[in-house]
Amino acid sequence: GQQLNQSPQSMFIQEGEDVSMNCTSSSIFNTWLWYKQDPGEGPVLLIALYKAGELTSNGRLTAQFGITRKDSFLNISASIPSDVGIYFCAGQLSGYALNFGKGTSLLVTP
Amino acid sequence: SQTIHQWPATLVQPVGSPLSLECTVEGTSNPNLYWYRQAAGRGLQLLFYSVGIGQISSEVPQNLSASRPQDRQFILSSKKLLLSDSGFYLCAWSPGAAEAFFGQGTRLTVV
Repeated sequence: GQQLNQSPQSMFIQEGEDVSMNCTSSSIFNTWLWYKQDPGEGPVLLIALYKAGELTSNGRLTAQFGITRKDSFLNISASIPSDVGIYFCAGQLSGYALNFGKGTSLLVTP
Repeated sequence: SQTIHQWPATLVQPVGSPLSLECTVEGTSNPNLYWYRQAAGRGLQLLFYSVGIGQISSEVPQNLSASRPQDRQFILSSKKLLLSDSGFYLCAWSPGAAEAFFGQGTRLTVV
């Protein structure tokens, strides 16, 4: 599958700070998805993006589908301790398989 | 609403033993079904996907196989486990070709 580059690899922030992470690909995608995974659990879908330029929010989370269709970002505003986890981006061009980034590990200190 | 069940949650198996992990989905029909493996260090690797009963596509040649005996049942198997088969196995389903929804995962340790 296509290679997704997700950055940063890890983030260590204080509660209340805003967070930004992104994903880039050398190939275009038709769909971008963002997931969060808690330790020992399966990833949970946070936001799905279907159109280039689309900006979607889910509570304190905002994600955008890049105009070039080769990138996406996720922002978390006013972080709280329960935001701790690993965040994955995933892209899909066609067919049935999602391509996942390697994840951004987020740690939030009170 | 749709739910996905995956079991067991944890498994410790000796090298050379067989494996059978089961996944079932409720509340939907004809879902796309997936098996992923997540090794330590996070990346999710797609192992198999299925768009219908008896239809299995393999993404990576390896010591594992998958079967879909019923519309909402997906099974991951191995005849003889290797140490390298250790990892976190995730089943997922999707209503079409977009979002995937994951089960709770199975932590497999081969000793």
